[in-house]
Amino acid sequence: AQKVTQAQTEISVVEKEDVTLDCVYETRDTTYYLFWYKQPPSGELVFLIRRNSFDEQNEISGRYSWNFQKSTSSFNFTITASQVVDSAVYFCALSEPHSSASKIIFGSGTRLSIRP
Amino acid sequence: IAGITQAPTSQILAAGRRMTLRCTQDMRHNAMYWYRQDLGLGLRLIHYSNTAGTTGKGEVPDGYSVSRANTDDFPLTLASAVPSQTSVYFCASSQGQGTSFEQYFGPGTRLTVT
Repeated sequence: AQKVTQAQTEISVVEKEDVTLDCVYETRDTTYYLFWYKQPPSGELVFLIRRNSFDEQNEISGRYSWNFQKSTSSFNFTITASQVVDSAVYFCALSEPHSSASKIIFGSGTRLSIRP
Repeated sequence: IAGITQAPTSQILAAGRRMTLRCTQDMRHNAMYWYRQDLGLGLRLIHYSNTAGTTGKGEVPDGYSVSRANTDDFPLTLASAVPSQTSVYFCASSQGQGTSFEQYFGPGTRLTVT
């Protein structure tokens, strides 16, 4: 069955520190997609990245980077030189496009607080 | 371009009452979704629609119904609200059918059932 685990419920770091948010997933499918979303204090959910199961290249976007490792079923998210504006709840999500139900499974989220 | 709009922003509703949460998108996306967000549980899919005229059940569909008469609108109805339906409700859409596409979310509706 599909499952996404974000074991870190809350993380608090001082500004400019690097921080990694962990995401571990379970799936029986060979074709799947992984996502990260950000939910700032204002409440809206913002799409950050999508990765398909056949592309294990790591991705970097500014201060954000993602490490996808199929061997450990992980899709971790690192923020380098964190800033106060990075404070938010971050959700990892998994979808199996070939499953009978069209759905994305979200993790329970990691609340990241960046202290000035 | 507004993206996705939801109404109302928040609502306090007496148990047993009927309520429709509205969702409209102007991106001409094929697929639309309704989620509820509860503390510690992340987002859970209630219902979805891959295209106008079709709907499907998500993870937690009981007590909710949806319709998709056209591409832009995807209302969620609580026929007889119960306190356990107190939650924040998010509507989302994606360009393509299926879940391989990223979803774009509305601002949410905070619903309290008393």
